[in-house]
Amino acid sequence: DTGVSQNPRHKITKRGQNVTFRCDPISEHNRLYWYRQTLGQGPEFLTYFQNEAQLEKSRLLSDRFSAERPKGSFSTLEIQRTEQGDSAMYLCASSRAYEQYFGPGTRLTVT
Amino acid sequence: GQQLNQSPQSMFIQEGEDVSMNCTSSSIFNTWLWYKQDPGEGPVLLIALYKAGELTSNGRLTAQFGITRKDSFLNISASIPSDVGIYFCAGQLGNSGNTPLVFGKGTRLSVIA
Repeated sequence: DTGVSQNPRHKITKRGQNVTFRCDPISEHNRLYWYRQTLGQGPEFLTYFQNEAQLEKSRLLSDRFSAERPKGSFSTLEIQRTEQGDSAMYLCASSRAYEQYFGPGTRLTVT
Repeated sequence: GQQLNQSPQSMFIQEGEDVSMNCTSSSIFNTWLWYKQDPGEGPVLLIALYKAGELTSNGRLTAQFGITRKDSFLNISASIPSDVGIYFCAGQLGNSGNTPLVFGKGTRLSVIA
């Protein structure tokens, strides 16, 4: 049983560029979550999918952020016109019930 | 928004000692989860708790879901060097498991050999 995978693991980009991250959940999990974690903090919720439907979005998810989960399998998180404040670890988690299993994260650095 | 308060923020212990940490909230949660995170990695699920008063063990780890449903505790017995890391509590409000987790700020554990 493979775990949640995320790509890339690290991304360095210049301010103003667009970036896209990918998450592949555990295969039988229908729920997929995106979280953001900054230094010294716990993960904070961004958005949630059940199958292909995006059911909830946090106020943290500004209009520069968009997430998709076509066909209810992998998901992508895109950030447009990146800002230095977007530098963080972006975590993906999947679940079938209550327990959420996290991927290794994508570390974004905006210079 | 929801906030979970974890304490202590950090702790330094000798190898072989027992560790206790806790998490409190002003809100009632229906599920409590405990995770461990190593540097540069995602959180790894340690224990999940589903009912008030529940006590669950996973090897040397024991966690309890507080009776008031506003707190949870994690104990680690006979600590070893690989226990080093940041421990997070997370609460879930919903009844069907389809709600986001609310995390504390973590307890950083250092083990001195």
